[in-house]
Amino acid sequence: KAGVTQTPRYLIKTRGQQVTLSCSPISGHRSVSWYQQTPGQGLQFLFEYFSETQRNKGNFPGRFSGRQFSNSRSEMNVSTLELGDSALYLCASSLVSRGGKSVETQYFGPGTRLLVL
Amino acid sequence: EDKVVQSPLSLVVHEGDTVTLNCSYEVTNFRSLLWYKQEKKAPTFLFMLTSSGIEKKSGRLSSILDKKELFSILNITATQTGDSAVYLCAVEGGGSNYKLTFGKGTLLTVNP
Repeated sequence: KAGVTQTPRYLIKTRGQQVTLSCSPISGHRSVSWYQQTPGQGLQFLFEYFSETQRNKGNFPGRFSGRQFSNSRSEMNVSTLELGDSALYLCASSLVSRGGKSVETQYFGPGTRLLVL
Repeated sequence: EDKVVQSPLSLVVHEGDTVTLNCSYEVTNFRSLLWYKQEKKAPTFLFMLTSSGIEKKSGRLSSILDKKELFSILNITATQTGDSAVYLCAVEGGGSNYKLTFGKGTLLTVNP
């Protein structure tokens, strides 16, 4: 079974621009969660999508948004980029929603390294 | 605010040593504690702990949770250079408003 894939793997943008990152979950997985990882803050939860609906959201500003398509693929968008948005963005997929009662292991993708200049 | 603190932040050992990594937490409506290993990019799942006092084992790795004292430890025995990685601890909480909070990780370096 193919793992979680993320595109692009590396991205350089300038302040004020916007960016869209893509995540394709493991086949059959319906939940996709997004995380931001920086040296200073560690891994922080952005949001989770399940069946095309945002189920949970972390403490990030509204510039960070996402969506999920009917095939479970998910995109994350960051508008008006700031220098502090430079980070590794990871997505993780699981069979069921992490917000549900079932406990389910998440599988992480390789991440997209975003550099904002 | 939910908090997960890992210690030490970094650790250098020699092959064959035994290491213990610590994770303490404060979280509302605790659901589970997870350990991950991150080598280059993607964290890989190691353990999930929900019940206090029950040890989870996988080869040379083991982990236990103490829900009364709000901490968990990850033990690695007979370390190998391939164990070199960042080990992340994460705690699920928040009840119906699910939240997953990660610690900043422990960087383990195993020298030959």
